[in-house]
Amino acid sequence: QSALTQPPSASGSPGQSVTISCTGTSSDVHGYGYNYVSWYQQHPGKAPKLMIYEVNKRPSGVPDRFSGSKSANTASLTVSGLQAEDEADYYCSSHAGGNDPHVLFGGGTRLTVL
Amino acid sequence: QLQLQESGPGLVKPSETLSLTCTVSGDSITNSNYYWAWIRQPPGKGLEWIGSISSSGRTFYNPSLKSRVTISLDTSKKQFSLKLTSVTAADTAVFFCSREEHSTSHYWGQGTLVTVSS
Repeated sequence: QSALTQPPSASGSPGQSVTISCTGTSSDVHGYGYNYVSWYQQHPGKAPKLMIYEVNKRPSGVPDRFSGSKSANTASLTVSGLQAEDEADYYCSSHAGGNDPHVLFGGGTRLTVL
Repeated sequence: QLQLQESGPGLVKPSETLSLTCTVSGDSITNSNYYWAWIRQPPGKGLEWIGSISSSGRTFYNPSLKSRVTISLDTSKKQFSLKLTSVTAADTAVFFCSREEHSTSHYWGQGTLVTVSS
């Protein structure tokens, strides 16, 4: 199976908004009944941190500057009001179905705050 | 507060079997709502899901690794384990364990680096 497709890099100035895309297929992101798309933030040398789950839900403690959405086979993470600490790698993931259920990750996007 | 801690050898020889254990504290490992997963990250690269196991022992594996992976659960020790056979240098990575719910890893261990080298 192929990884989900993310742009390798994204950037924005403090206070701006940035959107990162995650493109899959009908077997994962756009699969029937599959709203299990998640987004993780990872700072260098650290474990990933869950930022968004089930397309658009935020875990407790995650700022509402982070939001998620999905249209057809593309999911998106939007970071509004960019802050310096948002600079990190971001990964999307999705349940992938069929007869062999598993989880797929995107290749990751390096977000730079200019 | 749930905590997960990976443990195991940091160096494995090519063609041998990589074995890691994740110890769970702060919550039950037998809660049927959750799966227990392994994810790896080669140095400088992205995340790769390896597989997961339910509290009842049902397993799901990455199709690309399925022939070499076994994940098992020891509820008495509150641990779950990963075995990856016939390793090569390409298996060098930081290995994370996590607690999954609906294919989402809400909680992660800190990760452990395993290097495959002779």
